[in-house]
Amino acid sequence: DADVTQTPRNRITKTGKRIMLECSQTKGHDRMYWYRQDPGLGLRLIYYSFDVKDINKGEISDGYSVSRQAQAKFSLSLESAIPNQTALYFCATSDSGTGGLAGITDTQYFGPGTRLTVL
Amino acid sequence: AQKVTQAQTEISVVEKEDVTLDCVYETRDTTYYLFWYKQPPSGELVFLIRRNSFDEQNEISGRYSWNFQKSTSSFNFTITASQVVDSAVYFCALSEARGNTGKLIFGQGTTLQVKP
Repeated sequence: DADVTQTPRNRITKTGKRIMLECSQTKGHDRMYWYRQDPGLGLRLIYYSFDVKDINKGEISDGYSVSRQAQAKFSLSLESAIPNQTALYFCATSDSGTGGLAGITDTQYFGPGTRLTVL
Repeated sequence: AQKVTQAQTEISVVEKEDVTLDCVYETRDTTYYLFWYKQPPSGELVFLIRRNSFDEQNEISGRYSWNFQKSTSSFNFTITASQVVDSAVYFCALSEARGNTGKLIFGQGTTLQVKP
């Protein structure tokens, strides 16, 4: 079984609808991230969470919200979807970096992605 | 400000050719990590390598090798004797120690097509 799972894998929705993308992990990592990928722009960070009570905005958080229901679950919501939110969304997890350089988290491992289309 | 630039948008080679993917980064931090990820046509992101800012030794893993040069702020990736299965989008990314957020700053990606 995959260590990081995302549901749904594909979703087509209409403008104005509320959408929730879910991410679960079995890696035991405390940090979780949501990114979106657009052609020619690479991946950009939407939100990140260091633990259940610690949630932070990334560079493109407008129009999105998140919920960290448990250490293993991190959901991304689009309250009122719009067409320019059409993108590939990735969840990622990492450890808190105890094995690496001080102050830097460990490697991020990504889920399979959710392709979202907003009509 | 931190930034990662992959100037090559698309590269096309014939199988067995060597190919180098360029990555140039900007950061004011002295402590950071650099990464390469592979995104095959199936869409998932596969971790390839992590290098910290204090280790400039080149890394080799099979047909893959990485050249990290702080003097030119570059972290280039070379595939030797390319194969069709190497066709993918490759992303270079930077993570700074500042703020301890672990955020990854990605380059725009380089699409590599290896033709048989």
